[in-house]
Amino acid sequence: SQTIHQWPATLVQPVGSPLSLECTVEGTSNPNLYWYRQAAGRGLQLLFYSVGIGQISSEVPQNLSASRPQDRQFILSSKKLLLSDSGFYLCAWSGGLAGHTDTQYFGPGTRLTVL
Amino acid sequence: AQSVSQHNHHVILSEAASLELGCNYSYGGTVNLFWYVQYPGQHLQLLLKYFSGDPLVKGIKGFEAEFIKSKFSFNLRKPSVQWSDTAEYFCAVNAGYGGSQGNLIFGKGTKLSVKP
Repeated sequence: SQTIHQWPATLVQPVGSPLSLECTVEGTSNPNLYWYRQAAGRGLQLLFYSVGIGQISSEVPQNLSASRPQDRQFILSSKKLLLSDSGFYLCAWSGGLAGHTDTQYFGPGTRLTVL
Repeated sequence: AQSVSQHNHHVILSEAASLELGCNYSYGGTVNLFWYVQYPGQHLQLLLKYFSGDPLVKGIKGFEAEFIKSKFSFNLRKPSVQWSDTAEYFCAVNAGYGGSQGNLIFGKGTKLSVKP
């Protein structure tokens, strides 16, 4: 069966520091991969999605970036964190056969606090 | 652009009460519809989904949702809630076509608190 992992589970970083959050999927190949940010009372906001290695689409302009160095690995990064980057970051995958219309399955998330 | 509205931010019910959480979306074409649930301390998980066919969809844990195309709605229902249903519920929609378009759009969520 497919599983999705995210780490770290929680992270506290100072303003201006770099960021690297990792997401890996097991049990499937060539998935679509997604990064979301969840803010209280605001639902989930799609940040990036990827349909293949090295293919990244950005939905929201900001100081974050994403990379997909391997088929089942998706990384969210920042060179310099801002206070406004605090939040709960979720990675998700979908089967990819039907594009983004396929069901998405979510990882456990990373709680990021920027101080 | 597509948008999803969930009418209630916080719903408080007693056990055995009936539940209906509203969800409306704005998109004129074919849609795929989802309800996700996030229990306290757990990750987001799929409750049920509608792609096509019978507009009354049954999901896990006794939940169901009805797609009413004319009303652009996909309300979630459960006849009798339990304390363990306390969670945050998210409605989500994407356009029903393949390829690289049609990303999932989420509502802001509804917190359900069930009193024992």
